[in-house]
Amino acid sequence: EIVLTQSPGTLSVSPGERATLSCRASQSVRSNYLAWYQQKPGQAPRLLIYGASSRATGIPDRFSGSGSGTDFSVTISRLEPEDFAVYFCQQYGSSPVTFGEGTKVEIK
Amino acid sequence: EVQLVQSGAEMKKPGESLKISCKASGYRFTAYWIGWVRQMPGKGLEWMGIIYPGDSDTIYSPSFEGQVTLSVDTSINTAYLQWSSLKGSDTAIYYCVRPVKYAVSQFYFDVWSQGTLVTVSS
Repeated sequence: EIVLTQSPGTLSVSPGERATLSCRASQSVRSNYLAWYQQKPGQAPRLLIYGASSRATGIPDRFSGSGSGTDFSVTISRLEPEDFAVYFCQQYGSSPVTFGEGTKVEIK
Repeated sequence: EVQLVQSGAEMKKPGESLKISCKASGYRFTAYWIGWVRQMPGKGLEWMGIIYPGDSDTIYSPSFEGQVTLSVDTSINTAYLQWSSLKGSDTAIYYCVRPVKYAVSQFYFDVWSQGTLVTVSS
């Protein structure tokens, strides 16, 4: 199965700053089938990005996804207070679908 | 509005059985796959399996095959996740999810329920 490694484990950022989160796959992700989710404490995850770069319905345009092959990232252009959360990547190009361990974005 | 609403938190002892539920609304239940994702305390996410209510076709993650059973009741638009003999390592939050499916085993999850906390302890 494909192993996804997210980095950094924790990212300390000030509101208004830019944050870039990385997701590296142990082998190429077919068709760039890579999704990102946001999870706030005590809540279920929420889909942010699918197909590596397509925003899900209702997701603000300060969130952008990019990458291909084995290296993917999501960038939050200007962090809002509600963006401090844990972010997970998921590949769905190969069976079984797998998730990364998550990156926590915390207030600096 | 598409909604998935799960049954409440459960506290069980090792060896007991359990069936948790997920009621779907806002869409045609039999036309979309539905599945389950586990999140152990303080950990990441693990896909468990998906089921197609239209014909009960089921795909399990290799990690969960034989450990749990997925089922549906189309008369009440409800999906179920069942254990026959719980272990302490089954302690986790279980999320009901709706997959967006591209192929047999290619899917991401666009709708998530609120989760059910299952605690297994003697």
